[in-house]
Amino acid sequence: DTAVSQTPKYLVTQMGNDKSIKCEQNLGHDTMYWYKQDSKKFLKIMFSYNNKELIINETVPNRFSPKSPDKAHLNLHINSLELGDSAVYFCASTQTGLASKQYFGPGTRLTVT
Amino acid sequence: GENVEQHPSTLSVQEGDSAVIKCTYSDSASNYFPWYKQELGKRPQLIIDIRSNVGEKKDQRIAVTLNKTAKHFSLHITETQPEDSAVYFCAAVPPAAYKLSFGAGTTVTVRA
Repeated sequence: DTAVSQTPKYLVTQMGNDKSIKCEQNLGHDTMYWYKQDSKKFLKIMFSYNNKELIINETVPNRFSPKSPDKAHLNLHINSLELGDSAVYFCASTQTGLASKQYFGPGTRLTVT
Repeated sequence: GENVEQHPSTLSVQEGDSAVIKCTYSDSASNYFPWYKQELGKRPQLIIDIRSNVGEKKDQRIAVTLNKTAKHFSLHITETQPEDSAVYFCAAVPPAAYKLSFGAGTTVTVRA
């Protein structure tokens, strides 16, 4: 009964490739997020969807494209991967999208060689 | 937007001692202040939060205090134990905001 799940857990790929990370939550939440955590541990928000609508789009290269087919899923597609994309990517969800507890997924460690 | 500064970046304490992490925020309208703990290789998890109508909140060995006038809030961990070793993130959220503004994190190491 995992609350927020992500696949894959680990992803190793070469520069220039295209890859996707999937996220699913079974909490019935309306809002989902993607965060990037680099080697310095800083949690940087990338995107947020509320009821399948994009509400936050931080300064992220166009190579990153989120997609939310329904409230329970938020996927992240990355084109033309670069070395600097290596990081841990966390998906998260909240009930209302406003000031409330965020539930994080287990993370996807992306390594670009 | 909201800007959160967190200090110190690293903290080493002897087991049994107390640990204090401080955060300052820029938007005086912020009214929600959560703290997340991230153990090595794990996901961040909420450990305690406080809203602006409360000055202090405790949960067993952890407590958070909020000073709205000075725009800072702190996490206090008493009687530290090895399992308290982790990275701790503070965050501040203005009203009607959809995102948390996280601090840069504090790596706490509890020495046995």
